[in-house]
Amino acid sequence: AQSVSQHNHHVILSEAASLELGCNYSYGGTVNLFWYVQYPGQHLQLLLKYFSGDPLVKGIKGFEAEFIKSKFSFNLRKPSVQWSDTAEYFCAVENRGGGADGLTFGKGTHLIIQP
Amino acid sequence: EPEVTQTPSHQVTQMGQEVILRCVPISNHLYFYWYRQILGQKVEFLVSFYNNEISEKSEIFDDQFSVERPDGSNFTLKIRSTKLEDSAMYFCASTLTEKNSPLHFGNGTRLTVT
Repeated sequence: AQSVSQHNHHVILSEAASLELGCNYSYGGTVNLFWYVQYPGQHLQLLLKYFSGDPLVKGIKGFEAEFIKSKFSFNLRKPSVQWSDTAEYFCAVENRGGGADGLTFGKGTHLIIQP
Repeated sequence: EPEVTQTPSHQVTQMGQEVILRCVPISNHLYFYWYRQILGQKVEFLVSFYNNEISEKSEIFDDQFSVERPDGSNFTLKIRSTKLEDSAMYFCASTLTEKNSPLHFGNGTRLTVT
């Protein structure tokens, strides 16, 4: 079965700091990769996704993520964070083959940006 | 670590039948959510629930859908008359508060409508 690991459960940064949130998955086959964000008081929103092609994908609000197949990783990055980036971030992996595994979420990283 | 649990993991039903997807949120959580993901697409918000009533719902959550917290532990999603396009993974999630509290997801129920 697929598993998704997000290495940091809580991250605290100051404004303008650079951000990298780690995500690794276990399944070795073909996958679709997602990062979702939940801002306080809101429901989940898609930040970015990777299906195929350029492994460096750009999403909304200045976020990007790089798919490194050899490392089974899909880390999320932002060069300079803002206070409004305070939220919870979820990595999710979908096995292309479908089946009962479908989409698997990581446990989430709670990001707090201090002004 | 407490978890959100969903049953069943996989449900197959015929078009037009009613299904109930069950979720047991983390016991002290107060806010509950249902999301769905059609295979190959993004996760979509369906509904949020607080204090025994729906707090927000999406356009997807039409009259064929309903949610209920029948007792102190379960949180159910009912689809009254299933359609082929309801085939998806359905995720339940819960959180303690809306502000700065982690969202916990269940492992999902794969619904297949034939």
